[in-house]
Amino acid sequence: AQSVTQLDSQVPVFEEAPVELRCNYSSSVSVYLFWYVQYPNQGLQLLLKYLSGSTLVKGINGFEAEFNKSQTSFHLRKPSVHISDTAEYFCAVSDRGGSYIPTFGRGTSLIVHP
Amino acid sequence: ETGVTQTPRHLVMGMTNKKSLKCEQHLGHNAMYWYKQSAKKPLELMFVYSLEERVENNSVPSRFSPECPNSSHLFLHLHTLQPEDSALYLCASSQDRSGAYNEQFFGPGTRLTVL
Repeated sequence: AQSVTQLDSQVPVFEEAPVELRCNYSSSVSVYLFWYVQYPNQGLQLLLKYLSGSTLVKGINGFEAEFNKSQTSFHLRKPSVHISDTAEYFCAVSDRGGSYIPTFGRGTSLIVHP
Repeated sequence: ETGVTQTPRHLVMGMTNKKSLKCEQHLGHNAMYWYKQSAKKPLELMFVYSLEERVENNSVPSRFSPECPNSSHLFLHLHTLQPEDSALYLCASSQDRSGAYNEQFFGPGTRLTVL
């Protein structure tokens, strides 16, 4: 079984500033890792995913995340945010040897101020 | 229509009502899911169907009854709900539920309010 911890429930930031949303996971086996974004009144949309290979993963809308196995982390970053990035962000993990259905974190609300 | 659609988008019902939520995917996927999303809680997986067969049921109360008549359609039948069942109900689909990886595609959700 696996679990996901998103340490920040809310992250306020000014437009054009950098941002990092933190995600830590626990699992007894190798994992796949995901970040999803949920805009108001919409479902979740995949931002990026780590399956294998390079630990730095680039996604849509200028986001990237780095897989750190020793720290069991998969933090999401963007060098310069826009107002339109205001949304809820969910980290998820699934076991490679399991059912592959992701376990989701509680979400981090990114609020971008002008 | 493309992707995953859900109807209705909003639903208000009394505790004695019976209603149904509908999900349709236009992606040719084989697996479909129901999730419950409550404020500031992790997404709760409710049901998983693969090739129209229920493969997981995460201890969901019997007042929620899923139905998957074919690989493109998924229903969630609701009866005698409680106010704590008020939430956003999300449907998702994926190419398959096994294999190296399956990416889930989500619908916009149905916002359910139980009075």
